[in-house]
Amino acid sequence: DAGVIQSPRHEVTEMGQEVTLRCKPISGHNSLFWYRQTMMRGLELLIYFNNNVPIDDSGMPEDRFSAKMPNASFSTLKIQPSEPRDSAVYFCASTEGSFTEAFFGQGTRLTVV
Amino acid sequence: DAKTTQPPSMDCAEGRAANLPCNHSTISGNEYVYWYRQIHSQGPQYIIHGLKNNETNEMASLIITEDRKSSTLILPHATLRDTAVYYCIVRVANTGNQFYFGTGTSLTVIP
Repeated sequence: DAGVIQSPRHEVTEMGQEVTLRCKPISGHNSLFWYRQTMMRGLELLIYFNNNVPIDDSGMPEDRFSAKMPNASFSTLKIQPSEPRDSAVYFCASTEGSFTEAFFGQGTRLTVV
Repeated sequence: DAKTTQPPSMDCAEGRAANLPCNHSTISGNEYVYWYRQIHSQGPQYIIHGLKNNETNEMASLIITEDRKSSTLILPHATLRDTAVYYCIVRVANTGNQFYFGTGTSLTVIP
């Protein structure tokens, strides 16, 4: 298995533009997580899905952020409109069960100018 | 809510054992202790996890105190490639699969 795949690896966009980050979890995994990492705040859990259903989105910073998981093999994190303070590395992770380890993707480095 | 406390940084000589401590004094009886590490600019990597017994795998050993209020991750023979930030995480049980990361320990392995 290729592991958790995120795209794009790098994204540079102008303030006000819509940004969509994509994640393909490991096949057979039933939970998916989106994290954001910055120097100031470290790794923050934004939202997680279980069996494609959003379970906890309390970490989503504001209404500009939205996440979807239309099927077991694909998830998106959208920011609209983007702002410079959204600049960060966004990680996606997936797990197979309740107490198994999470596997992380390589992240998307987002820069909003 | 990270629920764990770790020293911000540590050094270790190459070839020596690296012992990384973690306090989790409010851990519940059915919560596991997980360790991850993050090498610069990469995604976090799973190392090991345990409930109450000591655990060992090809990467490391995990020692959990009898009262489960603290644990130690041991890298038996540290190499330069072990330089990373190490996160100790207490996994929330029953209500879901969240992994909450704290600030971690930045380990530097010195030649």
